[in-house]
Amino acid sequence: EIVLTQSPGTLSLSPGERATLSCGASQSVSSSLAWYQQKPDQPPRLLIYGVSNRATGIPDRFSGSGSGTDFTLTISRLEPEDFAVYYCQLYAYSPLAFGGGTKVEVK
Amino acid sequence: EVQLVESGGGLVQPGGSLRLSCAASGFTFSDHYMDWVRQAPGKGLEWVSRIRNKANDYFIDYAASVKGRFTISRDDSKNSLYLQMNSLKTEDTAVYYCARVKLGPMANKAFDNWGQGTMVTVSS
Repeated sequence: EIVLTQSPGTLSLSPGERATLSCGASQSVSSSLAWYQQKPDQPPRLLIYGVSNRATGIPDRFSGSGSGTDFTLTISRLEPEDFAVYYCQLYAYSPLAFGGGTKVEVK
Repeated sequence: EVQLVESGGGLVQPGGSLRLSCAASGFTFSDHYMDWVRQAPGKGLEWVSRIRNKANDYFIDYAASVKGRFTISRDDSKNSLYLQMNSLKTEDTAVYYCARVKLGPMANKAFDNWGQGTMVTVSS
């Protein structure tokens, strides 16, 4: 079973700043990695799939990168609506795995 | 517009059973793999189960935590996904989401649409 570890647990930033979120896998994995955003009392929303492909309607300030065991979600300039919890997910392996989440909060 | 609407949640005693439903609309349901994902109060996301499409023989996977107790199924004629939950434990308390798997090669099979979720509370 592959374990995903997200860091940091909480990121305190101001609007306009750059956010860099990390997701580490317990072993080398394929490109089947996604990122989701979740706001309070809402379901998750797909941001990135296949490591670096933006989902439909996702603004280009969101980008994904990485390979092997280390993956990154970057938000180039934080907008007020970007403060939320972000999860990475590995979806081509069984069992499917989610990371524990990174909360991006207003500093 | 893609819509996934879960129902069937509620309060149940430990050892009890519950059946969740997910009504799909706005897309060709039969083409897609479908999954259940849950989220305990204040916690992260946990994958529960997947059922593939007819072209992939409706193959099914479960998380170890629910295997033998939960049963996923689908009715393509009714555009519906189900989760039969038996022998419920307090640790099964969570919001249960149904999620649509994106079409395409395995490298693309993330969850591109989610329902709003239904709350299941297991308590005496």
